[in-house]
Amino acid sequence: QVQLVESGGGLVKPGGSLRLSCAASGFTFSDYYMTWIRQAPGKGLEWVSYISRSADTIYYADSVKGRFTISRDNVFSSLYLEMNSLRAEDTAVYYCARIDEMADYFDNWGQGTLVTVSS
Amino acid sequence: DIQMTQSPSTLSAYVGDRVTITCRASQYISTWVAWYQQKTGKAPKLLIYKASSLESGVPSRFSGSGSGTEFTLTISNLQPDDFATYYCQQYNFYPLTFGGGTKVEIK
Repeated sequence: QVQLVESGGGLVKPGGSLRLSCAASGFTFSDYYMTWIRQAPGKGLEWVSYISRSADTIYYADSVKGRFTISRDNVFSSLYLEMNSLRAEDTAVYYCARIDEMADYFDNWGQGTLVTVSS
Repeated sequence: DIQMTQSPSTLSAYVGDRVTITCRASQYISTWVAWYQQKTGKAPKLLIYKASSLESGVPSRFSGSGSGTEFTLTISNLQPDDFATYYCQQYNFYPLTFGGGTKVEIK
């Protein structure tokens, strides 16, 4: 079955950096677009970033553009999110999610990893 | 950006009730809408895509409808397992956007 397992979250000071990883299994990773979505404590869902199968198309939410970098390794079936210049408002649970083959909705999600930005 | 306005934000209902959640898009998005269920402390789960298509394995008491700018998620015969927060999402344009969520509580 499809499994997405995030890691790399933790406590970081404002202005700091963190790299999140998402290990995928149970499907052919290179066949799917992937995405990161976050959820601040007690708040709703916010889409963060998208990457195409071969990483030739990438999108970011305006709130993270220029600070976050999405990437993938199809050999190791892994998705990454490099986060720099972190702010308090980046505090959230970060989910990696698989995008359906036919359209840009999310058919499988990881369990999430918590990022806390605080001094 | 397309705004997705969901209502109500909270809904109280009894087991066995029929409940309806509405999502309104700020511009035309055809039927490019998905609905998700999220339970406390868990990842969201896909329920409906393309406004009315039921994801495999999702109980048939869940249904979706709508097109253009108005969309609804209906849960008929509400079950104890259905008490959760529900989100709509548009995927017609980037940035992909979600509604603010509707929490379905036990009355």
